[in-house]
Amino acid sequence: DTGVSQNPRHKITKRGQNVTFRCDPISEHNRLYWYRQTLGQGPEFLTYFQNEAQLEKSRLLSDRFSAERPKGSFSTLEIQRTEQGDSAMYLCASSARQGSYGYTFGSGTRLTVV
Amino acid sequence: QQQVKQSPQSLIVQKGGISIINCAYENTAFDYFPWYQQFPGKGPALLIAIRPDVSEKKEGRFTISFNKSAKQFSLHIMDSQPGDSATYFCAAMRREYQGAQKLVFGQGTRLTINP
Repeated sequence: DTGVSQNPRHKITKRGQNVTFRCDPISEHNRLYWYRQTLGQGPEFLTYFQNEAQLEKSRLLSDRFSAERPKGSFSTLEIQRTEQGDSAMYLCASSARQGSYGYTFGSGTRLTVV
Repeated sequence: QQQVKQSPQSLIVQKGGISIINCAYENTAFDYFPWYQQFPGKGPALLIAIRPDVSEKKEGRFTISFNKSAKQFSLHIMDSQPGDSATYFCAAMRREYQGAQKLVFGQGTRLTINP
């Protein structure tokens, strides 16, 4: 499978717990994005990596959120002290290079905070 | 702030009919306008995209019409089929060579094609 892979697909956690999601982009893609999608809304940009460097973060990404992309390959998104408002679909996407504007999205991780 | 407004929120079309979804944007710096199709439990998939130097782009049954002066663009699905039933998102991007190339999405349209 050469698509963008996200794990887990679903996560249910209690409020206050920490969660971590993983994204494996298409192998030759150097750009990686995280988006958040709440029910009935379009995805919203969270953060962007070019190779291993995190170059931009949205103000939606509070201090409880941290993302990494060690070695410019897979990426992780961690949410600390989860809140009910964090319940959403977290989408990862990758694209090949500057001048290529078509993202490939993964199927997402659906987080439910109870 | 809502930079891309999409309508309608939901749409029901008979099989074989034309589905039309409209979007309007505010930021004139946007210069790439894609449409995404999303099925339940899946991520959005790129359907078709247009740049503002053309007024129309057609790929199979899917056509984007673009009106730069009105800052509006629309998706037309000809001969709509039950398999087209999905949520459709318009989006906009500013193609920054060194920048993040963030997509700004509309709110989505849930399309149902009745057989």
